[in-house]
Amino acid sequence: EVQLVQSGAEVKKPGESLRISCKGSGYSFTSYWISWVRQMPGKGLEWMGRIDPSDSYTNYSPSFQGHVTISADKSISTAYLQWSSLKASDTAMYYCARQFLGSTGQGLDYWGQGTLVTVSS
Amino acid sequence: SSELTQDPAVSVALGQTVRITCQGDSLRSYYASWYQQKPGQAPVLVIYGKNNRPSGIPDRFSGSSSGNTASLTITGAQAEDEADYYCNSRDSSGNHPHWVFGGGTKLTVL
Repeated sequence: EVQLVQSGAEVKKPGESLRISCKGSGYSFTSYWISWVRQMPGKGLEWMGRIDPSDSYTNYSPSFQGHVTISADKSISTAYLQWSSLKASDTAMYYCARQFLGSTGQGLDYWGQGTLVTVSS
Repeated sequence: SSELTQDPAVSVALGQTVRITCQGDSLRSYYASWYQQKPGQAPVLVIYGKNNRPSGIPDRFSGSSSGNTASLTITGAQAEDEADYYCNSRDSSGNHPHWVFGGGTKLTVL
């Protein structure tokens, strides 16, 4: 069974750093990209960026480039999303998702349960 | 353009057919994928590519595309289809590939 299990909820202060994780199981972790998606309270989905765990190549949305860093450790089938200096506006639910790209189309076919990040002084 | 535009809200009578649309320049080059999200839950992929359903998605869900518009059609909407629906596609602007979501459509089943 394919699963993406994310780390637990976080409460942080502005200016603090944070790394959240997403562990894949039940499939070849290096055969699919991992994307990160933000959902601010009461708002829609925003694609942040993705990583190819086989070589750690990343693409970012222009909206998130420079604000977050996506990385992966293929030896433990885990992807990460990190911030060096959080802002209150980073308060949101963050999802990781497995992204496939093939001849029949592309999509995010398996999702983690989400990690709620709250940034408040 | 890097935007995908969806109607904020759509309603359908129980058992009737509803079409949810997504507009954007990138859809002239790339297929959309569609996601259903119910309150408090992670999104679920319902359609990808030309018109492909992942395993477990009912066949009342279908997809189509024409020009700059992608559509998700639910034929015979059920109460459990009430949810937010999002389209997603690769963006055709810029030098580096990235993907974007539409703003989402809240579907109400009456």
